[in-house]
Amino acid sequence: DTEVTQTPKHLVMGMTNKKSLKCEQHMGHRAMYWYKQKAKKPPELMFVYSYEKLSINESVPSRFSPECPNSSLLNLHLHALQPEDSALYLCASSQLAGVDTQYFGPGTRLTVL
Amino acid sequence: GDSVTQMEGPVTLSEEAFLTINCTYTATGYPSLFWYVQYPGEGLQLLLKATKADDKGSNKGFEATYRKETTSFHLEKGSVQVSDSAVYFCARRNQGGKLIFGQGTELSVKP
Repeated sequence: DTEVTQTPKHLVMGMTNKKSLKCEQHMGHRAMYWYKQKAKKPPELMFVYSYEKLSINESVPSRFSPECPNSSLLNLHLHALQPEDSALYLCASSQLAGVDTQYFGPGTRLTVL
Repeated sequence: GDSVTQMEGPVTLSEEAFLTINCTYTATGYPSLFWYVQYPGEGLQLLLKATKADDKGSNKGFEATYRKETTSFHLEKGSVQVSDSAVYFCARRNQGGKLIFGQGTELSVKP
């Protein structure tokens, strides 16, 4: 089973709202990732967690705040977003960071009004 | 730096046609190579992978061979179906462990 789940599937929020995206995997993977994907473009890496600790932050604005409460869960907290942050947000996981195949979730389609 | 170059799309084929999507990568070390597929409105799915030279990855009728001499990992399928319509991403892992994606190739298969 190589399933990564993400909720919600769609999210519409205003620029003053606070919302969270959730990602879950039960494959025993110890690395989890957040990517941002704009239409017709490849995914762009945002954050990497390894053993529940943040190991890579690709200079992402502070209005995006990741959290890894345990080895199966990854959250992305959103606050004061801009319309240009509208995109598909993908979560991925792998056995270990940087050396194993990444498996992606279905994504959350975010629209910022 | 590390990069992956894919043929530009969109590629439009008739059902049962032969498919080739070209992918080349910069030769820094011996990276693992991947093809991911993204169906409309969905996330990325791993289609196949190869971890060393001359490895052939295969899945669902798709194949790709890791060619070190030409730094290529072209995706092929003998007979495409309408259900294969999607965007295909070639990717390599760089020495820091990050996935480097190509720009994606959109495939449209007509009945």
